[in-house]
Parts: sequence; C-alpha cells; structure tokens
Amino acid sequence: GQSLEQPSEVTAVEGAIVQINCTYQTSGFYGLSWYQQHDGGAPTFLSYNGLDGLEETGRFSSFLSRSDSYGYLLLQELQMKDSASYFCAVRDQTGGFKTIFGAGTRLFVKA
Amino acid sequence: EAGVAQSPRYKIIEKRQSVAFWCNPISGHATLYWYQQILGQGPKLLIQFQNNGVVDDSQLPKDRFSAERLKGVDSTLKIQPAKLEDSAVYLCASSARQGPFSGNTIYFGEGSWLTVV
Repeated sequence: GQSLEQPSEVTAVEGAIVQINCTYQTSGFYGLSWYQQHDGGAPTFLSYNGLDGLEETGRFSSFLSRSDSYGYLLLQELQMKDSASYFCAVRDQTGGFKTIFGAGTRLFVKA
Repeated sequence: EAGVAQSPRYKIIEKRQSVAFWCNPISGHATLYWYQQILGQGPKLLIQFQNNGVVDDSQLPKDRFSAERLKGVDSTLKIQPAKLEDSAVYLCASSARQGPFSGNTIYFGEGSWLTVV
C-alpha cells in the first residue's frame, strides 16, 4: 500500500516563505506531485519531481529526496490568494501508474 | 481547450436511492480517473481507466459503486444504493499519458457534490 504524511495546517504571513513537507511510503514510487485546491474548487497541478532535486516554477518550488522518501513544496512571496489546501501525491507504478493523494495541508496566509 | 466536464454539479438524495454522475474528459486524454473527496480529506482514487480498460479499482466499493467508460471517452459513475457516508465530492479527472516518461499532470473537473440524507 501507500501512505503519505503532511502537516494538517500551516499559517504564514503575507510576503513570507513557507515550506510544506511530505513524507511517503510506497513500494512502487515513481514521482511526487503537488496540487493546490481552493475551497469549493478543483485540485490544480503545481509541480512534479521525478528526480532528486529542486524544481522551480515562479514563486513555487518543489524538492524531492528519494533516499529519504521526502519532499517539500516551497512557496515564496506569499500572497493572500495562496490560502488554500496543498496536496502531495505519489505516482505509483505498482500494477499500472496511478496517483495517490495525501490528506492535504491547509495554508492560511495572514495580512 | 475545454476542460473536464462533469454533471450534475450538485445532487441531494435519500439513503438507499441511486445516483449517477457523468464525466467527459479532455479531448484525446486516454486516462480517466474517478476520485472521491470527503470534506477535509484528500482525493481518494476510486477507479482509473486507460482508454476503456480498468487500470485500478481496488478502492471502489463494488457492492454499491460501478463505473464504465464506453468507447474510451465519456464515463459514468453510479452508486446504488447510497449510504450516508457516500456524501462527498466526486471528482472526475483525466490525463494525456501513462507510463514512465510523463509527469502525468492530472486535470480535474469541478466535481459533483453529493449529499445523502
């Protein structure tokens, strides 16, 4: 089976930097994705790490360490609109490629 | 490019009744997913299709849930009979490719919100 752990809530101030961690356990790990979901909306793709290291997309960066079964999402220059839930999701190749989501981290950005 | 279309957006039914949700994925996407998202939780994969074949349905409660993807395009998810614990958002999603050389971006629809009373 698969398991993912991420903090349930994080609070940060507008303009700051926040890091959301994710640890995972899966036998068929292939890659780690991050998705953002605003209340009442659909999850939207942010980033994917198939290899160790840092991927940067504008204000968002994501990191993966396969040896530590660990990744994080880094959000810089926080804006109020970044208040949302953030999900890490493992891409598992066991029995066909599928994507399994974590429980999500609720980010609150304060003025 | 049109996104993933789902209907109905909202549905309220009594327990033991049946309900069906429809999904039209992004044109050309071979992989279609149905996820269940209970309030405050992450999306839980119910079933994944590759074209019209099932890749994974290990978490689909097959005694009450069924899904099909005829002709490898549209899909329907049915619940019969519904239970109170089925109250959730049912998210349909699609992706262009499967396999090792793709980041596999998954595109979600807006979801079908089900309340069972």
